[in-house]
Amino acid sequence: AQTVTQSQPEMSVQEAETVTLSCTYDTSESNYYLFWYKQPPSRQMILVIRQEAYKQQNATENRFSVNFQKAAKSFSLKISDSQLGDTAMYFCALEWLSGSRLTFGEGTQLTVNP
Amino acid sequence: GAVVSQHPSWVICKSGTSVKIECRSLDFQATTMFWYRQFPKQSLMLMATSNEGSKATYEQGVEKDKFLINHASLTLSTLTVTSAHPEDSSFYICSAVGRQGRSVDEQFFGPGTRLTVL
Repeated sequence: AQTVTQSQPEMSVQEAETVTLSCTYDTSESNYYLFWYKQPPSRQMILVIRQEAYKQQNATENRFSVNFQKAAKSFSLKISDSQLGDTAMYFCALEWLSGSRLTFGEGTQLTVNP
Repeated sequence: GAVVSQHPSWVICKSGTSVKIECRSLDFQATTMFWYRQFPKQSLMLMATSNEGSKATYEQGVEKDKFLINHASLTLSTLTVTSAHPEDSSFYICSAVGRQGRSVDEQFFGPGTRLTVL
């Protein structure tokens, strides 16, 4: 069975500062995919960043980057220069095969304060 | 990017009636679609996996006779909540698997449907 754990139910950050969201997971697969999704108040799920487990290099997308520690089964998301529009629920997710079911964490509600 | 639509976006119905929710992939073909349920301030819970032309695979604890899923074409999957009751009130989200210039499949999410059963 696969599990994803997000231990921070809520976090807040000041605009323009940096914040890191934590995620740990467990899987018996050697190759898999990890994601961070953002769900703003509209509730539309938006893909933030994706990491293939076989790639050692951490994925980056503009202000978003991850710290992928495969041995520790840790996958944190760093948001730099936080903006008010980053306020949302963030979900960490695991997929063992491309296009297969996603296992989601409990979510972290991030609030960016002006 | 790929677009997935859901209809309706919000529905209110009386207890005992059935409600159908449509999920469409607008600019790509999706052999697989997933249906999720989400309660307020909680995570997405997978209900079932829908494959075109075959019966849906339901997660443990999900009543297949209550949540009927039909994936009749490569662009449309429907979820019918039969004999709805207030406890079925929730936010239902679908996703469709496709490729958009990538070498691997990706899930694209619909905007969700809010169901309120009175």
